[in-house]
Formats: sequence, structure tokens, C-alpha cells
Amino acid sequence: GENVEQHPSTLSVQEGDSAVIKCTYSDSASNYFPWYKQELGKGPQLIIDIRSNVGEKKDQRIAVTLNKTAKHFSLHITETQPEDSAVYFCAALGGGYQKVTFGIGTKLQVIP
Amino acid sequence: DAGVIQSPRHEVTEMGQEVTLRCKPISGHDYLFWYRQTMMRGLELLIYFNNNVPIDDSGMPEDRFSAKMPNASFSTLKIQPSEPRDSAVYFCASSYETGRSYEQYFGPGTRLTVT
Repeated sequence: GENVEQHPSTLSVQEGDSAVIKCTYSDSASNYFPWYKQELGKGPQLIIDIRSNVGEKKDQRIAVTLNKTAKHFSLHITETQPEDSAVYFCAALGGGYQKVTFGIGTKLQVIP
Repeated sequence: DAGVIQSPRHEVTEMGQEVTLRCKPISGHDYLFWYRQTMMRGLELLIYFNNNVPIDDSGMPEDRFSAKMPNASFSTLKIQPSEPRDSAVYFCASSYETGRSYEQYFGPGTRLTVT
């Protein structure tokens, strides 16, 4: 089955700086890569996703890049704000239907 | 829509007791997922349903865990008997097939503590 590795597990940045979270996946057949944000006491929420036929996607301050050859993808958050503090999960769709495998998560702390 | 609804939000029980977690997916969604979240193992998929039919239960830890979806608006996850290592946050999520997006909508979770 699919295996998704994510790093770093924790990340602290100063407000206004950029944050980068990296993930690798194992199943070359995976073709959909979402990123979820989980705030304290809540369930994860989709913030951005990318499909395998696209190399990069942006939505305001967040962007995701995908390298299918190397089987890795990354989340970039620019001009970080305190409200960006949360746990971020990468994931890959593999195994048929809508089965998504999640990374272990990255706890991002934005220091005001 | 109220989103995915889970109950109870918190459950404290003693080892050996039966625990039942409940989920109401978003109306119109045809996929339902049960996840378990722990610090050590992250977010693990336990089982998922499509149109009320279990598709993949390979993540269910052992026979003590069972899940049902009797209709499109209700699902349960049961643990019998419960053990301290089952302590975790359990999430239910739902989604619908669009052919373009696979976004899953998560509920607020049930925090289970087994003493």
C-alpha cells in the first residue's frame, strides 16, 4: 500500500517568514495530493490539493509543488501569520476509490 | 449544512466496557471514513464505506473493532471490549464523488479515554 513520509514534525517560524513542509510517497500510481490543516480541538480541513498532471498550484499565500519523478511534494506558506499555527498533514490518494494515506503531520508554530 | 456530526464528543470508559461512537455524514455524500488519531501513529484510516457498503476495513486493528452503516445518514464504530491502548481521537469524515475533487469533510472527533 501507499506510504507517505512527512517532515519536519515540528516547525517554528517568525511571523512574516516562509514555512516549507515536505512529503514523499511510495506508490507511483498515486495521482492526487491534498494538504489538510488541523486546528486545536477540530478535525482536519482541506486547504489545497494538486493532481499529478500539474507541477504547481497557488492559492493566495499557500502553494504546493509536485515532482512525480522523485515522488515528492511540498507545501509552501509565505508571509506567515499567527493564525497559520496548526498541524498540517500531507496525503496521497492510492489504493483505489477515495482511500487517502496521510503523513504523520507537522506542527507549525508562528511566533508573533 | 451542519457538517459531519459526531457523538459523543468525549467518552471516558473503563477497560472491558463496550464503546459506541456515532457519525452522521453530510447529506448527499456517498463516502464515509473512520479514522483514529494518536500522537505516535498520526491519522490512521480504519475503514471506509461507499454507498453504505464497506470497501476497505484493512485498517481495523482487530476483531474488537466493528463498524456499520445501516443507511446513508448514520454510521457507528464499536469497540468491544475496550482497552487502554484504544485511547485516541476518532474522526468520521465524508465525501462525494465528483471526478475532480476528493475532499474529505471531517467531523469534530470523539476523544476516547479508556482507563
